[in-house]
Amino acid sequence: GENVEQHPSTLSVQEGDSAVIKCTYSDSASNYFPWYKQELGKRPQLIIDIRSNVGEKKDQRIAVTLNKTAKHFSLHITETQPEDSAVYFCAARLDTGRRALTFGSGTRLQVQP
Amino acid sequence: GAVVSQHPSRVICKSGTSVKIECRSLDFQATTMFWYRQFPKQSLMLMATSNEGSKATYEQGVEKDKFLINHASLTLSTLTVTSAHPEDSSFYICSASSLGDTQYFGPGTRLTVL
Repeated sequence: GENVEQHPSTLSVQEGDSAVIKCTYSDSASNYFPWYKQELGKRPQLIIDIRSNVGEKKDQRIAVTLNKTAKHFSLHITETQPEDSAVYFCAARLDTGRRALTFGSGTRLQVQP
Repeated sequence: GAVVSQHPSRVICKSGTSVKIECRSLDFQATTMFWYRQFPKQSLMLMATSNEGSKATYEQGVEKDKFLINHASLTLSTLTVTSAHPEDSSFYICSASSLGDTQYFGPGTRLTVL
C-alpha cells in the first residue's frame, strides 16, 4: 500500500516568515495530494490540493509543489500569521476505486508573534 | 462547501457497552464514506471504507466485528463500537466524498471509555 512520510514534525517560525512542509510518497500510482489543516480538537480542513498532472498550485499565501519523478510534494506558506498555527497533514490517494487517503504523520506549526 | 455532520460530538461510556456514531452528509450525496481514528498528537488512521449499499472494507488490523459500519443511504453512515474498552478511547472522524477526489470531514466524536 501507499506510505506517506512528512517532515518536519514540528516547525516554529516568526510571524511574517515562510514555512515549508515536505512529504514523500511511495506509490507512483498516487495521483491526488491534498493538504489539511487541523486545529486542536477540530476537524481537518482542506486548504489546498494538487493532482498529478500539475506541478504547482497557488492560492494566495499557500502554494503546493509536486515532483512526480522524485515522489515528493511540499506545502509553502508565505507571510505566516499567528492564526496559521495548527497541525498540517499531507495525504496521498492511490488511483483506485476506493479513493482512500493515506495521511502523513503531521507537522505542528507554531507561528510566533 | 460540502458539510458533513457527526453525532455525538462527545460520548463517555462504561467498559463493555456499545456506542453508535452517526456521520451525515448534509448537502450532497456521499457515495463513499471513510472512518478514521486519531489518537492524541497522532495522524489520522483509516479504519474502513464504506460504500452505500455494500459491506465496508476494513483496513488491516481493524476488527470488523468490533467496529460495525453501516452505510444504509447516500447521506448516512454509522460506526458502532461494540463492547468498548478503555483502549478504544480515541477521536473518531468520518469523511465523505461523492464522485470527485475531495473528502470532507465531520467534526469528530471524542469517545472516552471508563
